[in-house]
Amino acid sequence: EVQVVQSGAEVKKPGESLKISCKGSGYSFISYWIGWVRQKPGNGLEWMGMIYPGDSDTKFSPSFQDHVTFSADKSTSTASLQWSSLKASDTAIYYCARMSYDGNYLDSWGQGTLVTVSA
Amino acid sequence: DIQMTQSPSSVSASVGDRVTITCRASQDISHWLAWYQQKPGKAPKLLIYSASSLQRGVPSRFSGSGSGTDFTLTINSLQPEDFATYYCQQADSFPKTFGGGTKVDIK
Repeated sequence: EVQVVQSGAEVKKPGESLKISCKGSGYSFISYWIGWVRQKPGNGLEWMGMIYPGDSDTKFSPSFQDHVTFSADKSTSTASLQWSSLKASDTAIYYCARMSYDGNYLDSWGQGTLVTVSA
Repeated sequence: DIQMTQSPSSVSASVGDRVTITCRASQDISHWLAWYQQKPGKAPKLLIYSASSLQRGVPSRFSGSGSGTDFTLTINSLQPEDFATYYCQQADSFPKTFGGGTKVDIK
């Protein structure tokens, strides 16, 4: 069974760094893209980008490219989303999801990680 | 970026109703479109991909149609568990943008 499990909720202050994780199991982790999606409180879904764990190729939405980093660790089947300096506006739920084999659709979602950034 | 516009933004319906949600792309995306369902406090779930293909395990009362710029998600005989928010997403080009969502609630 395909499973995608994300790390727990985080509370941070503006300017702090953060790395959240996303562990895939039940499939070949290196063969499927992992996508990241943001959902601000009460708002819709925003596509952030994706990473291919096999070679760490990444594709970003221009809205997020200069503010976050994607990484993937093949040895632990874990993808990560990282900020070096958080802003209050980063407060949101962040979802990762395995993408379909053609890399187009988000077919198995994690449960989401709530990130709260507040002074 | 390709803009995805959903309508309506919300719809009130009763159990057993047929509900239709539309999604319009700002440019031709061929059949590269998905539909997702999200219930409160839960992660989204893939329902339809490639405009009209039903994801494994999704009930057959859900169907998708369209190509080019205009797409439709239809829910036949709405069930209590179908009250949720629905999003379209284009997969034709980066960034793979979502529509703004359509909330289906109880009349």
